[in-house]
Amino acid sequence: DSGVTQTPKHLITATGQRVTLRCSPRSGDLSVYWYQQSLDQGLQFLIQYYNGEERAKGNILERFSAQQFPDLHSELNLSSLELGDSALYFCASSPGQGTDTQYFGPGTRLTVL
Amino acid sequence: GENVEQHPSTLSVQEGDSAVIKCTYSDSASNYFPWYKQELGKRPQLIIDIRSNVGEKKDQRIAVTLNKTAKHFSLHITETQPEDSAVYFCAARRSPGTYKYIFGTGTRLKVLA
Repeated sequence: DSGVTQTPKHLITATGQRVTLRCSPRSGDLSVYWYQQSLDQGLQFLIQYYNGEERAKGNILERFSAQQFPDLHSELNLSSLELGDSALYFCASSPGQGTDTQYFGPGTRLTVL
Repeated sequence: GENVEQHPSTLSVQEGDSAVIKCTYSDSASNYFPWYKQELGKRPQLIIDIRSNVGEKKDQRIAVTLNKTAKHFSLHITETQPEDSAVYFCAARRSPGTYKYIFGTGTRLKVLA
C-alpha cells in the first residue's frame, strides 16, 4: 500500500457524461500527478499540482480539468466523455516538486459505454 | 518534443538468466530517471531510480546504468525469477524546469520457468 488513495475504484458511465475522480496523496506530500493508461498502453502524464497550484501540464485534453484543494486532495474532472476516454486513471504523489520519488495510487478504471 | 524510447517492447528470458531493458531520452536536461514495475491491473511501483550525478546504482538483483553523453539508461535484472514477470516502464524528468515525467512505452518481461 503506497498511502495514496483513489476513489472510486471503478466507474461505468455513458458517452457525453461528466465524472469526477478523486485522489488523496500520502500524508505530507504536496505534489499530485494524474496519469492516463489506456488498454495495453503506456502511462500518459496529464497534469501535476504542487501545493494547490498547477505545476506542469502534459497531454491533457481541454475536456479534462483538475484541481488541488487546500487539504491537498485532488480531483480530475472528465467531461463530454467519449469511448476513447475509457482507461485506467492513476494519481501519484510526492513530497515536493523536484526530483522526488512518486508513489502511485491503485487507480480508477473508467469505462465509457 | 520530449520523448523516451524504450526497447524491447517484449522480452522473454529463462529463469535464472539476465534481462536488460534500454531507454533513450531526448531532453538533455533530464536529470531524474526512475524505473517502474507494473503487474497486470495494478499500480506502477518504483523499483529503482537514478539521478544524473550518478552513473550506476544497484539494489540486490536490480541495477540501473546511465550514460548522459549518449542520453541512454538501462535496467538490468540478474537471476530472473517468475515473479519478475511484469511490464517495466522507464521515465525521465527535468527538475527544475518542465517537471513533467516522460514515460517510455513499456517492456513486457516474461520469465519462463
